[in-house]
Amino acid sequence: EPEVTQTPSHQVTQMGQEVILRCVPISNHLYFYWYRQILGQKVEFLVSFYNNEISEKSEIFDDQFSVERPDGSNFTLKIRSTKLEDSAMYFCASSEFRLADNEQFFGPGTRLTVL
Amino acid sequence: KQEVTQIPAALSVPEGENLVLNCSFTDSAIYNLQWFRQDPGKGLTSLLLIQSSQREQTSGRLNASLDKSSGRSTLYIAASQPGDSATYLCAVSGQNFVFGPGTRLSVLP
Repeated sequence: EPEVTQTPSHQVTQMGQEVILRCVPISNHLYFYWYRQILGQKVEFLVSFYNNEISEKSEIFDDQFSVERPDGSNFTLKIRSTKLEDSAMYFCASSEFRLADNEQFFGPGTRLTVL
Repeated sequence: KQEVTQIPAALSVPEGENLVLNCSFTDSAIYNLQWFRQDPGKGLTSLLLIQSSQREQTSGRLNASLDKSSGRSTLYIAASQPGDSATYLCAVSGQNFVFGPGTRLSVLP
C-alpha cells in the first residue's frame, strides 16, 4: 500500500543552524502539507502546497520556514535558523485532491531537537 | 477561528467494553472531519473520513458520526481491545485543517 515517507526520523541540530526535513508523498497525490506537534501539544497546521506554490499557511509559518518540491518526488521543509522552540515532531501529509474534498495521509514524522 | 475540543482527555476501560469519544468544533462551516489514531512517538493513522454531507461512516469496529449543525462528532469503538490503546485525534477541514488535543485511550486486558 502506498505511504508517505519522511527522512530523517530524528534530527538533532544546534540553535541557529539550518535544517531540511524531507518527505516523499504518495506518488499520484497533488496536494502536500506540513504540520508540527510540540511535545504534549496539539498537531498544528503549517503550510499546504499545490502546483509548485504555497496554497495556505498559518501564522506559525514565518520567514524562517520555506517549502520546496525540488524534483518530482520530494517535498521539503527548510528552517533557516532554528530556535529552541522549533523542537517538535514534523509531519508531512499528502492528499490526492484538495484538502476540502479528500483524505489526508500522514508520514511517520521527523523528530527535530534543537539544542 | 476554528477551535476543536475533545472529551474526555483520557479514558481507561476494561477489554471488551464499547466506548464513545467526543469531538466538538466551533465553526460548522467545514468540508469534512477526519479521525486519526496516534501511537506514542509515532505518526497519524487515518481511521475514518466523514464528508460534511454525511452523517456517519463505519469501518470494522469503528463508527463515526457527524452532526455539523451542532458542531459535534463521536467515534464509537465496539468491543475494545488492548491493541486499541492509543491517542485518538479528530481534525476538521475548513480553511485549514484544525486538530483537537486528542483522547488518550487505555484498554486494560
